[in-house]
Amino acid sequence: DVKVTQSSRYLVKRTGEKVFLECVQDMDHENMFWYRQDPGLGLRLIYFSYDVKMKEKGDIPEGYSVSREKKERFSLILESASTNQTSMYLCASSLISVDEQFFGPGTRLTVL
Amino acid sequence: QKEVEQNSGPLSVPEGAIASLNCTYSDRGSQSFFWYRQYSGKSPELIMSIYSNGDKEDGRFTAQLNKASQYVSLLIRDSQPSDSATYLCASGENYGQNFVFGPGTRLSVLP
Repeated sequence: DVKVTQSSRYLVKRTGEKVFLECVQDMDHENMFWYRQDPGLGLRLIYFSYDVKMKEKGDIPEGYSVSREKKERFSLILESASTNQTSMYLCASSLISVDEQFFGPGTRLTVL
Repeated sequence: QKEVEQNSGPLSVPEGAIASLNCTYSDRGSQSFFWYRQYSGKSPELIMSIYSNGDKEDGRFTAQLNKASQYVSLLIRDSQPSDSATYLCASGENYGQNFVFGPGTRLSVLP
């Protein structure tokens, strides 16, 4: 059974803190994605990676960075958290970039 | 900007009726199409994929694709209250390796 896990379901951080969101997949997928989802705005792509150490900016990369040191793990980093980064963060993976994506359970981040 | 459009809803149907969800896409190079269901507070889960023109059936769900009209739909027969969720349409395009989600349609099945 395919599985994508995320390090936390809920997270509360202070403005200015550095935040790490971790995502792990056990399907040997090449591609991994980070999205944020806000009411009325749908899913917005932050970054994606198509190989280890490779990354591409999505639609809203500002304020975020990513790291992919191992195939199964893709991390999203908020260098200095701000209140407008309060959101649901979803990680996904896929075998090829245009194939179905499998999602993790999501991390609801609140920045105070 | 490649786009996938959906009516945001809410679409309300009575229990037992057919729910019809529609989606249009702008990129003629799109090759693959997906329907995801997302319950409130949960992550999206894949329910159907379709790659060729025509219909594809899986249980109570039927996906329909018309590439000439750039139109994808999802029919849910015998709708149940447990089908109440937001349904996301997505398309994948090989050339630019793009995968685009629509904004989702909220479906409410009334008992």
